Amino acid sequence: DAGVIQSPRHEVTEMGQEVTLRCKPISGHDYLFWYRQTMMRGLELLIYFNNNVPIDDSGMPEDRFSAKMPNASFSTLKIQPSEPRDSAVYFCASSPGLLSYEQYFGPGTRLTVT
Amino acid sequence: GEDVEQSLFLSVREGDSSVINCTYTDSSSTYLYWYKQEPGAGLQLLTYIFSNMDMKQDQRLTVLLNKKDKHLSLRIADTQTGDSAIYFCAERRMGSSNTGKLIFGQGTTLQVKP
Repeated sequence: DAGVIQSPRHEVTEMGQEVTLRCKPISGHDYLFWYRQTMMRGLELLIYFNNNVPIDDSGMPEDRFSAKMPNASFSTLKIQPSEPRDSAVYFCASSPGLLSYEQYFGPGTRLTVT
Repeated sequence: GEDVEQSLFLSVREGDSSVINCTYTDSSSTYLYWYKQEPGAGLQLLTYIFSNMDMKQDQRLTVLLNKKDKHLSLRIADTQTGDSAIYFCAERRMGSSNTGKLIFGQGTTLQVKP
């Protein structure tokens, strides 16, 4: 299994631009999570989906952030417009659910907004 | 409170044992997890323990759970320089609104000196 795939691995953009981060979960996993990691705030859960339906988006910072999961094998996290304070590493994770709900993380996208 | 607490830093000598500690808050937590994050990488699931267990061993890793004190520890025997990383503990809480969601601690940076 290829694991969770994220693209791009690195993104540098200017303030005000739209940024789209992509994630392909592990096949057969019913849950998908988006996290953000910074030195100041640590690891934050932004949103998660179960069977492509958003379950909890209380961690999404503000309306500039949106996430979609159009099918079981693809999700996007969009920031529009981007700001320098959005600079962080964004992780996608997936989970089979079932009993233990362990999560498997992708390698992350390092976003720098200048 | 909601927080999962960990000490921020631990330094050991190569060959010694490392013990990383974590306290959690919800007595109804069902599963507890340990993740490892190496520089520039995503979180890697190391092991997890069900809350009706006291101990779980997997090669050099030993997880101890004290439910009374809500205390979880990860012991790494014969610590190697390759074990240098950030270690996160996480809990899965019961509750209809939290199915699938994990609560992460802030991470413990393990430094292994040769």
